[in-house]
Parts: sequence; structure tokens; C-alpha cells
Amino acid sequence: DQQVKQNSPSLSVQEGRISILNCDYTNSMFDYFLWYKKYPAEGPTFLISISSIKDKNEDGRFTVFLNKSAKHLSLHIVPSQPGDSAVYFCAATRMEYGNKLVFGAGTILRVKS
Amino acid sequence: GAGVSQSPSNKVTEKGKDVELRCDPISGHTALYWYRQSLGQGLEFLIYFQGNSAPDKSGLPSDRFSAERTGGSVSTLTIQRTQQEDSAVYLCASSLDSGNTYNEQFFGPGTRLTVL
Repeated sequence: DQQVKQNSPSLSVQEGRISILNCDYTNSMFDYFLWYKKYPAEGPTFLISISSIKDKNEDGRFTVFLNKSAKHLSLHIVPSQPGDSAVYFCAATRMEYGNKLVFGAGTILRVKS
Repeated sequence: GAGVSQSPSNKVTEKGKDVELRCDPISGHTALYWYRQSLGQGLEFLIYFQGNSAPDKSGLPSDRFSAERTGGSVSTLTIQRTQQEDSAVYLCASSLDSGNTYNEQFFGPGTRLTVL
């Protein structure tokens, strides 16, 4: 029972273009959503988040969009840089339950120079 | 300051043996989480400690798995009678008091466990 799904295992983008990573969830009780970035042999690092009361959050080159009716969120990276090449995990939680994160399987992003 | 550290970084063991994985959280972080990532999968929640409260063990896959947190700091995840399906990267994270708001979880580099 996968509550958080990332249906694209990988994505390849040219440097300078937009990268769009997608995530779907099934549990309507989730009220906080996050994106984590992971390089090989390192732990995931927090990238950006969004509360369920918002539909957009922007931080520099990174923007997360939330569509609650569709139970869908996306991460936009503009412009994409080679250093963005990593595995991106979508995660969701219900804050009152101790912030246990439910993760998707990840999307490998490759930014070509 | 130092981040979350985990040891060992790699562990190879034989089926049926017990293993202990260690996590040193960031100083002052009262919440500590264990996750694991099996090949091709996302991170899967295992157990959560918050201060002196009873841990949330709802993610532990079997009674072969247990964890302790001594003195509100270091945590040890123990897997008894390891099986090949236990092979995964085990990740520890810590955060400030979780409460009813989200506090960023900082992850360690993980321990890669291989059960032969």
C-alpha cells in the first residue's frame, strides 16, 4: 500500500532548462509535504516543503506546487544545473503524529551540461 | 556543529547473526527516527523516539527488530537472526521537538547492511 508514489524512476534534462518532478499521494490526512535530495553515499537533505493550507512555495530556483484535489505535488527546478543531479524523494506526513515521514521511491534527476 | 553520525557505514553479516547499528543524533535534538531504504524503494519508517515518551514502534517489520535510545541521545537499532530481506540502507534522522509543527529532520549517511 504505497501512500506516496513517484511514478517516474528517472528524468534527464538539459542544463538551463526546467526540471519537473512529480509525486502523487493517497492519504488525504497528510498535512505537510516535503522534497528531499540525496547524493550517493549520503543521507537525504531537506530541500523544500509545503503545508496543506498552501498551493505554492518558492525558494530560489525551487518551487513546490500542491494540488490537494488531485492529491498531487510537483517540484520545479529552474534553471536546472548539473549539480542538481541527484535522487529526489517526495515525502508526506501528518504533523500531529510525530512527523513520521512517508516517502516515495525517488526519481533520479540527471542534468546534462 | 556535527551532524547526525552513524556507525558502521557498512556491515556484512551472515544470515542468522545479530547486528547492532548505532546513531549519534545532533546534540539537543529530542526526536530521533530510524528509516530503512531497500533496493529500489523509498525510505520506510521504522521507529521514532521523542524525549522520554514511549517510542512509536509501529514501523518495525518484525519482532526481530528493536531499538533503544539511552539518555535521550545515542540510539542503537538491533536486528536479531538477520535474514537476507533485511539487507538495506538503515538511516537515522534527528530533529528538534516534533510537537504539532514540522521540524526538519536531519539525516545521517546511513549504514549499508548486507546479509549473505
